[in-house]
Amino acid sequence: GAGVSQSPSNKVTEKGKDVELRCDPISGHTALYWYRQSLGQGLEFLIYFQGNSAPDKSGLPSDRFSAERTGGSVSTLTIQRTQQEDSAVYLCASEDRGNTEAFFGQGTRLTVV
Amino acid sequence: GDSVTQMEGPVTLSEEAFLTINCTYTATGYPSLFWYVQYPGEGLQLLLKATKADDKGSNKGFEATYRKETTSFHLEKGSVQVSDSAVYFCALSEGPGDMRFGAGTRLTVKP
Repeated sequence: GAGVSQSPSNKVTEKGKDVELRCDPISGHTALYWYRQSLGQGLEFLIYFQGNSAPDKSGLPSDRFSAERTGGSVSTLTIQRTQQEDSAVYLCASEDRGNTEAFFGQGTRLTVV
Repeated sequence: GDSVTQMEGPVTLSEEAFLTINCTYTATGYPSLFWYVQYPGEGLQLLLKATKADDKGSNKGFEATYRKETTSFHLEKGSVQVSDSAVYFCALSEGPGDMRFGAGTRLTVKP
């Protein structure tokens, strides 16, 4: 596609439920990032995928968070047993190998009530 | 590890005022430096970048110069407009998978 697409754009969920957030990167981009942006905070790195390499999961805040990237394209971020502190905007970005410019989606605003 | 520190906001200016948003970094190597902008209700988009020392990135009237001696990449604009109201993020990257962001600075420009 023309840009990075994320869905849903907004998600309200009850505490304790699982949620899945989706990211469609720019076609052909081999690298994909997930970040979390909490109210008034900067971007918190969560996870990074590059091609077929093992992902860098060093930013995932707990084992309730996981992500996968199928076929080197679409990625899903899953949060299990959501907590109120998980409320944030989750941003996805993709990047072409050899070019350090990241292109961002518009994010998914997650609200846990 | 590598990190980026940028001035805290919020910053409020009148239209046509001069803007500076400070950004300093720590890095083990020779990173590329970036400014990203997030307009209300939108995702982040690249504003400008510089890939080596003394390079100047510029776009939409904004400029930033990669200063290795002071490890800085301050964002400047000579005359801001209401439409420049946004959150600005300084970032660095030493290679794929290593994009690190500052906390962001919210700019509000009043008519």
